[in-house]
Amino acid sequence: GDSVTQMEGPVTLSEEAFLTINCTYTATGYPSLFWYVQYPGEGLQLLLKATKADDKGSNKGFEATYRKETTSFHLEKGSVQVSDSAVYFCALAPTGGYNKLIFGAGTRLAVHP
Amino acid sequence: DAGVIQSPRHEVTEMGQEVTLRCKPISGHNSLFWYRQTMMRGLELLIYFNNNVPIDDSGMPEDRFSAKMPNASFSTLKIQPSEPRDSAVYFCASTRASNTGELFFGEGSRLTVL
Repeated sequence: GDSVTQMEGPVTLSEEAFLTINCTYTATGYPSLFWYVQYPGEGLQLLLKATKADDKGSNKGFEATYRKETTSFHLEKGSVQVSDSAVYFCALAPTGGYNKLIFGAGTRLAVHP
Repeated sequence: DAGVIQSPRHEVTEMGQEVTLRCKPISGHNSLFWYRQTMMRGLELLIYFNNNVPIDDSGMPEDRFSAKMPNASFSTLKIQPSEPRDSAVYFCASTRASNTGELFFGEGSRLTVL
Protein backbone atom coordinates (compact mmCIF):
# COMPACT_ATOMS: atom_id res chain seq x y z
CA GLY A 1 0.00 0.00 0.00
CA ASP A 2 0.89 3.67 -0.11
CA SER A 3 3.43 4.84 2.46
CA VAL A 4 5.72 7.70 3.47
CA THR A 5 9.20 7.35 4.94
CA GLN A 6 11.04 10.26 6.48
CA MET A 7 14.35 10.60 8.21
CA GLU A 8 14.45 9.89 11.89
CA GLY A 9 15.10 12.70 14.28
CA PRO A 10 15.81 14.55 16.24
CA VAL A 11 17.63 16.96 13.99
CA THR A 12 19.59 19.50 16.00
CA LEU A 13 20.92 22.63 14.30
CA SER A 14 22.33 25.99 15.19
CA GLU A 15 20.47 29.11 14.16
CA GLU A 16 21.08 30.09 10.52
CA ALA A 17 22.16 26.57 9.54
CA PHE A 18 20.85 24.86 6.40
CA LEU A 19 18.08 22.33 6.89
CA THR A 20 17.20 19.21 4.93
CA ILE A 21 14.64 16.67 6.05
CA ASN A 22 14.39 13.72 3.70
CA CYS A 23 11.08 12.22 2.64
CA THR A 24 10.40 9.41 0.19
CA TYR A 25 7.11 7.84 -0.72
CA THR A 26 5.56 4.76 -2.24
CA ALA A 27 2.32 5.22 -4.11
CA THR A 28 0.46 4.21 -7.22
CA GLY A 29 -0.79 6.82 -9.63
CA TYR A 30 -0.11 10.49 -9.02
CA PRO A 31 -0.40 11.43 -5.37
CA SER A 32 -0.25 14.93 -3.98
CA LEU A 33 2.51 15.58 -1.46
CA PHE A 34 2.57 17.75 1.65
CA TRP A 35 4.64 18.94 4.54
CA TYR A 36 2.83 19.67 7.80
CA VAL A 37 4.37 21.24 10.90
CA GLN A 38 3.38 20.70 14.53
CA TYR A 39 4.51 23.24 17.13
CA PRO A 40 4.56 22.16 20.78
CA GLY A 41 1.09 21.71 22.22
CA GLU A 42 -0.66 22.43 18.93
CA GLY A 43 -2.29 20.55 16.09
CA LEU A 44 -0.68 20.07 12.71
CA GLN A 45 -0.81 22.83 10.16
CA LEU A 46 -0.08 22.73 6.46
CA LEU A 47 3.35 24.15 5.61
CA LEU A 48 3.48 23.54 1.85
CA LYS A 49 2.23 21.24 -0.86
CA ALA A 50 2.86 20.05 -4.42
CA THR A 51 0.25 18.37 -6.54
CA LYS A 52 2.22 17.14 -9.55
CA ALA A 53 5.70 16.10 -10.59
CA ASP A 54 8.34 18.87 -10.67
CA ASP A 55 6.11 21.25 -8.72
CA LYS A 56 7.88 23.18 -5.97
CA GLY A 57 5.96 24.06 -2.85
CA SER A 58 7.22 26.93 -0.72
CA ASN A 59 6.20 28.83 2.39
CA LYS A 60 7.96 30.76 5.17
CA GLY A 61 11.37 30.11 3.59
CA PHE A 62 10.79 26.36 3.35
CA GLU A 63 10.81 24.59 -0.01
CA ALA A 64 10.22 21.09 -1.32
CA THR A 65 10.20 19.76 -4.90
CA TYR A 66 8.06 16.83 -6.05
CA ARG A 67 10.52 14.42 -7.68
CA LYS A 68 8.70 11.55 -9.30
CA GLU A 69 11.85 9.91 -10.64
CA THR A 70 13.23 9.52 -7.12
CA THR A 71 9.83 9.40 -5.37
CA SER A 72 11.04 12.10 -3.01
CA PHE A 73 9.81 15.36 -1.48
CA HIS A 74 12.67 16.62 0.69
CA LEU A 75 12.11 19.69 2.85
CA GLU A 76 14.77 22.42 2.81
CA LYS A 77 15.36 25.80 4.37
CA GLY A 78 18.42 27.91 3.84
CA SER A 79 18.66 29.49 7.29
CA VAL A 80 16.69 28.11 10.22
CA GLN A 81 15.53 30.09 13.23
CA VAL A 82 14.84 29.05 16.80
CA SER A 83 11.15 29.55 16.05
CA ASP A 84 11.33 26.73 13.46
CA SER A 85 11.75 24.18 16.25
CA ALA A 86 8.85 21.78 15.76
CA VAL A 87 7.94 18.35 14.42
CA TYR A 88 7.68 18.12 10.64
CA PHE A 89 5.49 15.55 8.91
CA CYS A 90 5.65 14.49 5.29
CA ALA A 91 2.35 13.24 3.90
CA LEU A 92 0.69 12.09 0.72
CA ALA A 93 -2.85 12.09 -0.56
CA PRO A 94 -3.39 9.07 -2.79
CA THR A 95 -4.92 9.53 -6.21
CA GLY A 96 -8.65 9.67 -5.64
CA GLY A 97 -8.00 9.37 -1.92
CA TYR A 98 -10.60 11.89 -0.81
CA ASN A 99 -8.15 13.69 1.47
CA LYS A 100 -7.29 10.48 3.31
CA LEU A 101 -3.75 11.61 4.09
CA ILE A 102 -0.98 9.14 4.87
CA PHE A 103 1.59 10.66 7.21
CA GLY A 104 5.22 9.83 7.84
CA ALA A 105 6.46 9.27 11.37
CA GLY A 106 7.52 12.89 11.83
CA THR A 107 10.95 14.46 12.33
CA ARG A 108 11.64 16.61 15.34
CA LEU A 109 13.77 19.70 14.66
CA ALA A 110 15.50 21.57 17.47
CA VAL A 111 17.24 24.84 16.61
CA HIS A 112 19.59 26.37 19.17
CA PRO A 113 20.72 30.00 19.32
CA ASP B 1 -12.66 32.71 11.87
CA ALA B 2 -12.71 30.05 14.55
CA GLY B 3 -10.64 26.97 13.88
CA VAL B 4 -11.47 23.38 14.70
CA ILE B 5 -12.51 23.23 18.35
CA GLN B 6 -11.93 20.12 20.43
CA SER B 7 -12.89 19.32 23.98
CA PRO B 8 -11.73 18.41 26.48
CA ARG B 9 -8.10 19.43 26.00
CA HIS B 10 -7.00 17.02 28.69
CA GLU B 11 -8.76 14.00 30.17
CA VAL B 12 -7.51 11.67 32.85
CA THR B 13 -9.67 8.66 33.57
CA GLU B 14 -9.48 5.19 35.04
CA MET B 15 -9.49 1.99 33.07
CA GLY B 16 -12.99 0.83 32.28
CA GLN B 17 -14.55 4.28 32.20
CA GLU B 18 -16.31 5.73 29.18
CA VAL B 19 -14.56 8.61 27.41
CA THR B 20 -16.22 11.01 24.99
CA LEU B 21 -14.18 13.43 22.90
CA ARG B 22 -15.90 16.24 21.04
CA CYS B 23 -15.14 18.20 17.91
CA LYS B 24 -16.63 21.22 16.20
CA PRO B 25 -15.32 21.55 12.63
CA ILE B 26 -14.80 24.80 10.78
CA SER B 27 -18.06 26.15 9.42
CA GLY B 28 -18.52 25.22 5.77
CA HIS B 29 -16.20 22.23 5.90
CA ASN B 30 -17.89 18.99 4.86
CA SER B 31 -15.15 16.46 5.62
CA LEU B 32 -14.11 15.53 9.15
CA PHE B 33 -11.29 13.27 10.33
CA TRP B 34 -10.31 11.72 13.66
CA TYR B 35 -6.60 10.93 14.14
CA ARG B 36 -4.74 9.38 17.04
CA GLN B 37 -1.12 10.29 17.80
CA THR B 38 1.22 8.21 19.94
CA MET B 39 4.99 8.02 20.20
CA MET B 40 5.00 4.40 19.13
CA ARG B 41 2.61 4.53 16.18
CA GLY B 42 2.72 8.15 15.07
CA LEU B 43 -0.40 9.61 13.46
CA GLU B 44 -3.13 7.11 12.66
CA LEU B 45 -6.35 7.91 10.84
CA LEU B 46 -9.22 6.39 12.80
CA ILE B 47 -12.24 7.43 10.77
CA TYR B 48 -13.43 10.08 8.41
CA PHE B 49 -16.79 11.52 7.46
CA ASN B 50 -17.99 13.21 4.31
CA ASN B 51 -21.22 15.21 4.57
CA ASN B 52 -21.81 13.64 8.01
CA VAL B 53 -21.60 10.10 6.63
CA PRO B 54 -18.78 7.78 7.75
CA ILE B 55 -16.75 6.94 4.66
CA ASP B 56 -13.89 4.89 6.05
CA ASP B 57 -13.64 3.53 9.58
CA SER B 58 -11.00 0.92 8.85
CA GLY B 59 -8.61 2.62 11.26
CA MET B 60 -10.88 2.26 14.28
CA PRO B 61 -8.91 -0.14 16.47
CA GLU B 62 -11.78 -2.21 17.84
CA ASP B 63 -15.39 -2.25 18.88
CA ARG B 64 -14.64 -0.21 21.97
CA PHE B 65 -14.27 2.82 19.68
CA SER B 66 -17.21 4.52 18.02
CA ALA B 67 -17.66 7.84 16.26
CA LYS B 68 -20.71 9.83 15.26
CA MET B 69 -21.44 12.98 13.36
CA PRO B 70 -25.10 13.87 13.97
CA ASN B 71 -24.84 17.17 12.08
CA ALA B 72 -22.37 19.27 10.13
CA SER B 73 -21.10 21.12 13.19
CA PHE B 74 -20.46 18.37 15.71
CA SER B 75 -18.74 15.01 16.02
CA THR B 76 -17.90 12.70 18.89
CA LEU B 77 -15.40 9.92 19.40
CA LYS B 78 -16.31 7.54 22.19
CA ILE B 79 -14.22 4.88 23.87
CA GLN B 80 -16.07 2.40 26.07
CA PRO B 81 -14.56 0.83 28.07
CA SER B 82 -11.26 2.68 28.05
CA GLU B 83 -7.91 0.92 28.51
CA PRO B 84 -4.42 2.25 29.33
CA ARG B 85 -3.26 1.54 25.77
CA ASP B 86 -5.79 4.11 24.54
CA SER B 87 -3.70 6.87 26.10
CA ALA B 88 -2.81 9.23 23.24
CA VAL B 89 -3.53 12.62 21.76
CA TYR B 90 -6.66 12.53 19.62
CA PHE B 91 -6.92 15.10 16.85
CA CYS B 92 -9.94 16.18 14.89
CA ALA B 93 -9.42 17.80 11.48
CA SER B 94 -11.78 19.23 8.91
CA THR B 95 -11.68 20.45 5.34
CA ARG B 96 -13.78 21.01 2.28
CA ALA B 97 -13.90 17.85 0.19
CA SER B 98 -12.60 19.90 -2.76
CA ASN B 99 -9.41 20.85 -0.88
CA THR B 100 -6.85 18.24 -1.85
CA GLY B 101 -4.92 17.38 1.29
CA GLU B 102 -5.24 20.65 3.20
CA LEU B 103 -6.60 19.57 6.55
CA PHE B 104 -7.23 21.98 9.40
CA PHE B 105 -6.43 20.39 12.74
CA GLY B 106 -7.72 21.15 16.20
CA GLU B 107 -5.35 21.42 19.14
CA GLY B 108 -6.05 17.87 20.21
CA SER B 109 -7.42 16.08 23.26
CA ARG B 110 -4.78 14.44 25.41
CA LEU B 111 -6.21 11.28 26.99
CA THR B 112 -4.58 9.45 29.85
CA VAL B 113 -6.13 6.19 31.00
CA LEU B 114 -4.79 4.96 34.33
